[in-house]
Amino acid sequence: NAGVTQTPKFRVLKTGQSMTLLCAQDMNHEYMYWYRQDPGMGLRLIHYSVGEGTTAKGEVPDGYNVSRLKKQNFLLGLESAAPSQTSVYFCASTGANEQFFGPGTRLTVL
Amino acid sequence: KQEVTQIPAALSVPEGENLVLNCSFTDSAIYNLQWFRQDPGKGLTSLLLIQSSQREQTSGRLNASLDKSSGRSTLYIAASQPGDSATYLCAVIGTYKYIFGTGTRLKGFS
Repeated sequence: NAGVTQTPKFRVLKTGQSMTLLCAQDMNHEYMYWYRQDPGMGLRLIHYSVGEGTTAKGEVPDGYNVSRLKKQNFLLGLESAAPSQTSVYFCASTGANEQFFGPGTRLTVL
Repeated sequence: KQEVTQIPAALSVPEGENLVLNCSFTDSAIYNLQWFRQDPGKGLTSLLLIQSSQREQTSGRLNASLDKSSGRSTLYIAASQPGDSATYLCAVIGTYKYIFGTGTRLKGFS
């Protein structure tokens, strides 16, 4: 039981490049989330999903897109990366009202 | 809009002392509250989940209380140890969404 996993762990992008972050969970959870964590700002919700095929905007959705084609996977895409998107990105899933986090992806946009 | 505050942002304590970490929230209409621990460069690890109908929850040296009417939760750590050095975050849980505080960092055990 791996819990919540994230790929990749680190990434450096140039401004304007695109990339996709992958989150996978093996706990059969319906709810999945993408957060970003910045110093002094805490965790902020980007997008979330309450089930396969559904997604919704969180607090800071601009510049990001998501897809939940399979229940166990939640993808976060950056179409045209900007330096303001330099952050640590965390994926989480919720089961029985308890939230479980992945190890994070550290993204730097130059 | 729900706001979650954790004060102080950082705390230095002598080893062996009992610790009290505070979490306050502005909207009492919450489902649950969860406390997490985050080590530097790592993801969040769940410590305790308090259901809205509960007043407290205990796990080992940890005890968390919840007072919805006053918008407060407190995490007690008994007999602090150097291994307790980390950032502790609380999150209030509404419909689907988790709102996080910015955390309290425990440091400088002596």
